[in-house]
Amino acid sequence: SQQGEEDPQALSIQEGENATMNCSYKTSINNLQWYRQNSGRGLVHLILIRSNEREKHSGRLRVTLDTSKKSSSLLITASRAADTASYFCATDGGGGFKTIFGAGTRLFVKA
Amino acid sequence: EAGVAQSPRYKIIEKRQSVAFWCNPISGHATLYWYQQILGQGPKLLIQFQNNGVVDDSQLPKDRFSAERLKGVDSTLKIQPAKLEDSAVYLCASSPGTNYQPQHFGDGTRLSIL
Repeated sequence: SQQGEEDPQALSIQEGENATMNCSYKTSINNLQWYRQNSGRGLVHLILIRSNEREKHSGRLRVTLDTSKKSSSLLITASRAADTASYFCATDGGGGFKTIFGAGTRLFVKA
Repeated sequence: EAGVAQSPRYKIIEKRQSVAFWCNPISGHATLYWYQQILGQGPKLLIQFQNNGVVDDSQLPKDRFSAERLKGVDSTLKIQPAKLEDSAVYLCASSPGTNYQPQHFGDGTRLSIL
């Protein structure tokens, strides 16, 4: 079973718009990570947020974490065509060893 | 630094045949992961090694899948015999230590079972 579930499953926006993806999980966690996957490629790590953090920024990325709601969001500002990819959240399930990925959000940015 | 290397990139076999995948992690990374990613889904952890010891293999179908990491560096994942439902991308990843650190992924091996 998958720990993280992303929402929406797919998102299509115009270049320059912001994209928001959400992730919900079931059990307590120590950290949550977001990854990007371009078609036919491996996953690329974007950002890691620990359970005692509420918000983190990296360039055009902003991640929030609400442990009381067991949810996280990834915001990509001023999106570009190159941001077209699948985005996955991953949690450690609280145990610290096993990484559990969600099903992903497929983002399409139209030029 | 060189990334995670995987081979082959593509493999097509018939059901009941056997197949092996190879992974070379980033130099110095203690932890190595094998994932199965079925089309349209997120990666599912099959097995995780810490150096050459197994940390988790709870989702590895042990009747047909096997994996080893010799000398704590390279790793191979084998399927024998393959079933139609094994069609997927097999991803290898590595990290310096535990799940508190980002994982670095290879581009995977796309396996098609006929």
